[in-house]
Amino acid sequence: QQQVKQSPQSLIVQKGGIPIINCAYENTAFDYFPWYQQFPGKGPALLIAIRPDVSEKKEGRFTISFNKSAKQFSLHIMDSQPGDSATYFCAASAMVADKLIFGTGTRLQVFP
Amino acid sequence: DTAVSQTPKYLVTQMGNDKSIKCEQNLGHDTMYWYKQDSKKFLKIMFSYNNKELIINETVPNRFSPKSPDKAHLNLHINSLELGDSAVYFCASSLDRASDTQYFGPGTRLTVL
Repeated sequence: QQQVKQSPQSLIVQKGGIPIINCAYENTAFDYFPWYQQFPGKGPALLIAIRPDVSEKKEGRFTISFNKSAKQFSLHIMDSQPGDSATYFCAASAMVADKLIFGTGTRLQVFP
Repeated sequence: DTAVSQTPKYLVTQMGNDKSIKCEQNLGHDTMYWYKQDSKKFLKIMFSYNNKELIINETVPNRFSPKSPDKAHLNLHINSLELGDSAVYFCASSLDRASDTQYFGPGTRLTVL
């Protein structure tokens, strides 16, 4: 119940493409869903996050879509750039639990 | 000015040794964390401290002992190192327990030979 399942494991797109990364969860107590971006040799950094009271959140080229009934959320990267090449982690947390549960990560490569 | 810093960045040691990793944050945050990232990039929380008090211990072997001398520092001491301890260890901090955003350090790559 504590798992967050993430897919795909890796993704290759051309510049300008729209990669989509999907996550699914089971614990209905989860109430915060962030996405973290990690470049090689660096720590993860918060990219964008959503709460279940909205179905979509957009920040720049990054959009989270959230489907509460299906217990799924996804990250869309519009007009992807080679500089977006990184590993992306979805995560979830419940206020009462004090901790983030991370997905298994998606390695994104954007080719020029 | 590095917000969350860790030392050392790389650590190579023999099985059975004892080693420590240090973490410091200059963000004025109350809550700090240790995560382990394995070779498959899976990121899992190990410990969480709030104002020097342990609040999360995720069934980590007791060879791992975190210590928080003050709320800006959270160190990780590992006794009797095993091959399976090889991983990247990340320290993170957040404003407080209720704060959602966690700020990660650059990581310490531990290799046990």
